[in-house]
Amino acid sequence: EVRLLESGGGLVQSGGSLRLSCAASGFTFSSYAMNWVRQAPGKGLEWVSGISGSDGSTYYADSVKGRFTISRDNSKNTLDLQMNSLRAEDTAVYYCAKDKYAGARYSRDLDYWGQGALVTVSS
Amino acid sequence: DIQMTQSPSSLSASVGDRVTITCRASQSISSYVNWYQQKPRKAPKLLIYAASSLQSGVPSRFSGSGYGTDFTLTISSLQPEDFATYYCQQSYSTPSLTFGGGTKVEIK
Repeated sequence: EVRLLESGGGLVQSGGSLRLSCAASGFTFSSYAMNWVRQAPGKGLEWVSGISGSDGSTYYADSVKGRFTISRDNSKNTLDLQMNSLRAEDTAVYYCAKDKYAGARYSRDLDYWGQGALVTVSS
Repeated sequence: DIQMTQSPSSLSASVGDRVTITCRASQSISSYVNWYQQKPRKAPKLLIYAASSLQSGVPSRFSGSGYGTDFTLTISSLQPEDFATYYCQQSYSTPSLTFGGGTKVEIK
């Protein structure tokens, strides 16, 4: 059974930093691209960042480029999101989500999601 | 950036109704569209990928269609557990992806 479990959320002041982690199990983690998607309170879904499974290529939404860093540790089956220079508009539930297809393909079809971690940035 | 516009933003329907949700892309995206269901305080769930392929374990009352810029999610006979918010998502533009604004399906 595929399981994704986020941790590290919390309350942080504007300009501060926070690191989210996602622990994965039930699949060959290193073979799949992974993503972070966020949802502000009462709002829709916004893709934040992605990382390929094969070569570790990273991708970012313009809204977080230069402030957030995605990384993965295939030996520990973990996905991280380092968030710096946080702003009030970064307040959201952050989900990690698995790509549907194994291998080099970065399909961005998200077939499994974690339960989410709430990040609140106070101004 | 490719924009995805969903309509309606909300609808009221009864159990047993046929429900249709549409999504329009700002440019042609072939069949690179997915549909997700999200219930309150839960993570989204993949229903349909590649515009019309049913994700494993999803009931057959859900179906998707469309190509190019116009896409549709249909629920053939609405069930009590289907009251939720539905999102379309494009995966055409590399490397990003974008979601529609969502359609909330409520009980009439």
